[in-house]
Amino acid sequence: EAGVTQFPSHSVIEKGQTVTLRCDPISGHDNLYWYRRVMGKEIKFLLHFVKESKQDESGMPNNRFLAERTGGTYSTLKVQPAELEDSGVYFCASSQVSEHNEQFFGPGTRLTVL
Amino acid sequence: AQSVTQPDIHITVSEGASLELRCNYSYGATPYLFWYVQSPGQGLQLLLKYFSGDTLVQGIKGFEAEFKRSQSSFNLRKPSVHWSDAAEYFCAVVSGGGSYIPTFGRGTSLIVHP
Repeated sequence: EAGVTQFPSHSVIEKGQTVTLRCDPISGHDNLYWYRRVMGKEIKFLLHFVKESKQDESGMPNNRFLAERTGGTYSTLKVQPAELEDSGVYFCASSQVSEHNEQFFGPGTRLTVL
Repeated sequence: AQSVTQPDIHITVSEGASLELRCNYSYGATPYLFWYVQSPGQGLQLLLKYFSGDTLVQGIKGFEAEFKRSQSSFNLRKPSVHWSDAAEYFCAVVSGGGSYIPTFGRGTSLIVHP
């Protein structure tokens, strides 16, 4: 069974540009999460989808970030326009609906904004 | 609000030596506790988890962790470290109550000398 995949693995862009990150969850997982880790700091929650609906987006930093999950399968996270402080590693995770909600993480996308 | 502290940013051990990575959490009720490992280029992999019951939990790759309520700790241990254990380790706490969004510590980077 394929795990959570993320694309691209690395992205280097200039301030003001737009970047779109993609996450493909494990097949059959209704829950999909985005997290971000800024260099040397904690992994922080961004938002949570249940199927195509946003369940919790309390961690989204500001309105330059837009997440979508059309059709309840893969998800995209767009940053527009990117700022220097957006640099970090963006992780995606997915899980089945279950009591303890064990999440399976992708390898992350390393975003560098110059 | 819940929080997780991993006081050691880096730990260096010799191959074959024992290992203990510290994790302290702040949360009012009994939390769900996790340890994840991230090897270079990989996603976060779940090592072990504690929900209830026996406070000493066994995980994959020979790791174990002990939940100590009195100390609010969930330290990760391994009796004999292998070079392949070099990675970054994250402790996380989930409050339950339906949210299941983990709060992560800052991570501990393990360096293994031959």
